Amino acid sequence: LAKTTQPISMDSYEGQEVNITCSHNNIATNDYITWYQQFPSQGPRFIIQGYKTKVTNEVASLFIPADRKSSTLSLPRVSLSDTAVYYCLVASVKAAGNKLTFGGGTRVLVKP
Amino acid sequence: GAVVSQHPSRVICKSGTSVKIECRSLDFQATTMFWYRQFPKKSLMLMATSNEGSKATYEQGVEKDKFLINHASLTLSTLTVTSAHPEDSSFYICSARVNLDRGLFSPYNEQFFGPGTRLTVL
Repeated sequence: LAKTTQPISMDSYEGQEVNITCSHNNIATNDYITWYQQFPSQGPRFIIQGYKTKVTNEVASLFIPADRKSSTLSLPRVSLSDTAVYYCLVASVKAAGNKLTFGGGTRVLVKP
Repeated sequence: GAVVSQHPSRVICKSGTSVKIECRSLDFQATTMFWYRQFPKKSLMLMATSNEGSKATYEQGVEKDKFLINHASLTLSTLTVTSAHPEDSSFYICSARVNLDRGLFSPYNEQFFGPGTRLTVL
């Protein structure tokens, strides 16, 4: 399983764009990248997933460079309710049981 | 999206008792479910992989006799914390993987997580 490294915490203000970069230098060909959001005392919630280039959905964008050794989650115009821990995970679709290994995550604090 | 539920959401028990936590996939079938444990301010730690109709696979350092897992159907997995002690107090979270074979770049390979169960052992 590829190890991921992301900043421990980030502060932002309402209305700003938040970009969280995750490093995964030893990502394998069959690995894809998934981001989850977790609020206190709740289970993680799927945000976005991608393999390469750019993926966008209604809540976020995911930028993955050609070498796939990193990825950046972009949250546009954050609000106070986006304060949460964001996890970057790398997993292989061919891994037995498709296990996910959670790293430390990034604690994002959105201030008014 | 796929919904996973857990019951109970919160449980307080006395030391030495056993506690069962249920994890259900409500609108999809899941041959594979996962159990995690999370301590305050920490990340999720995978405890075991639960496979329908077979024995669970435990991660290194997790006692299988302490944390009994049963995956009796395609929509239900249970975790029983046997002879619970205060150090077992934690937030237990399950997840279920959608079994839709849509290829390598499928958007459906993610896991869906339950809301978690807060266990407090007195």
